[in-house]
Amino acid sequence: DAKTTQPTSMDCAEGRAANLPCNHSTISGNEYVYWYRQIHSQGPQYIIHGLKNNETNEMASLIITEDRKSSTLILPHATLRDTAVYYCIVRVVTGGFKTIFGAGTRLFVKA
Amino acid sequence: SAVISQKPSRDICQRGTSLTIQCQVDSQVTMMFWYRQQPGQSLTLIATANQGSEATYESGFVIDKFPISRPNLTFSTLTVSNMSPEDSSIYLCSAGQGQGSYNEQFFGPGTRLTVL
Repeated sequence: DAKTTQPTSMDCAEGRAANLPCNHSTISGNEYVYWYRQIHSQGPQYIIHGLKNNETNEMASLIITEDRKSSTLILPHATLRDTAVYYCIVRVVTGGFKTIFGAGTRLFVKA
Repeated sequence: SAVISQKPSRDICQRGTSLTIQCQVDSQVTMMFWYRQQPGQSLTLIATANQGSEATYESGFVIDKFPISRPNLTFSTLTVSNMSPEDSSIYLCSAGQGQGSYNEQFFGPGTRLTVL
């Protein structure tokens, strides 16, 4: 699976958009970009995934660059409960897939 | 989505003993995994639990230390053998299901293990 690079930590004001970047310059054509988050003392939670088109769901939006070498997770209106570690992962979706976690970005949402 | 439960939720064990952690999924899943998360660190994949066959271990993890069973599509166990204080971690069970691009991986709440 391709490696990803994320900032170690970020701050965001409550009610503002949180934009979390991720670099995955060695991504393969058959690898998808996945985002998970881990709130303190809980197991990771799936957020969103995409291949090359931008994606949106009730939690977040995912913007993938045209060359697919980077992406941005957007939390449109961050709340205090969004304080967590966010993991950007690239992996295949067929066959024996497995998720390898990097260090992630620790997002602090402040009142 | 799949709901995953783990037993025990936490335990304190003595050096040299073994602990078996159980993972139960509320629906049949194709893939099950075990992860370790040491304090302040990210998750590290230990192995993929294969139904009806031996688990597939990641580099740095061996069957003698972390034997895994998966007797059916909803249940798996991880044993931490001959424990030392370095094994103190959170152990998380995970399950994956889906087809094509819709492919999700769910995580249990974890088992917090302290070895004295």
